[in-house]
Amino acid sequence: DAGVTQTPRHEVAEKGQTIILKCEPVSGHNDLFWYRQTKIQGLELLSYFRSKSLMEDGGAFKDRFKAEMLNSSFSTLKIQPTEPKDSAVYLCASSPRGDSYEQYFGPGTRLTVL
Amino acid sequence: GEQVEQRPPHLSVREGDSAVITCTYTDPNSYYFFWYKQEPGASLQLLMKVFSSTEINEGQGFTVLLNKKDKRLSLNLTAAHPGDSAAYFCAVRGPNNNAPRFGAGTKLSVKP
Repeated sequence: DAGVTQTPRHEVAEKGQTIILKCEPVSGHNDLFWYRQTKIQGLELLSYFRSKSLMEDGGAFKDRFKAEMLNSSFSTLKIQPTEPKDSAVYLCASSPRGDSYEQYFGPGTRLTVL
Repeated sequence: GEQVEQRPPHLSVREGDSAVITCTYTDPNSYYFFWYKQEPGASLQLLMKVFSSTEINEGQGFTVLLNKKDKRLSLNLTAAHPGDSAAYFCAVRGPNNNAPRFGAGTKLSVKP
């Protein structure tokens, strides 16, 4: 089975640009998560969807970050406008429905904002 | 909301030594706990999951202990080898359909 797919793997943006990151979860998984990973803060939750419904939104990220699930097999994370402090690795993960299941992580998108 | 603290942030041991990583959490209603391993340049992969009360789970060369009374989760590598060098993350999941919360990670280095 294919794992979680994320594109692009690397993105370089100028300050103020809009960027869109993409994620395809494992087929059949109902839960989808977006996290931001930095060395200082670790993994911070951006958004959590269950069956395409937004379950939780990372409070600190609401103003410039917007995640959407266009269908059960595709999600996007838009950052608008980008700032240098957004430079990080953005991870997408999916899991079967149910809190007891582990998350399957994608390879991540490394974003650099100049 | 749930807060997860993980210690230590960095750990360096010799091959054959033991290594212990600990996470504490705040929400007493949390009930699912996970350990993930992230090798350099790779994404997170599940190492082990543990549920409910005081429990010890043993895997290949490591032990996970959950103490719900103290709200503490630990990962113990009994005899580390260089292949264990990686970052390790704990994750805690509570009620109310919230997403798992992660510790900040521990970067483990095992020297030959």
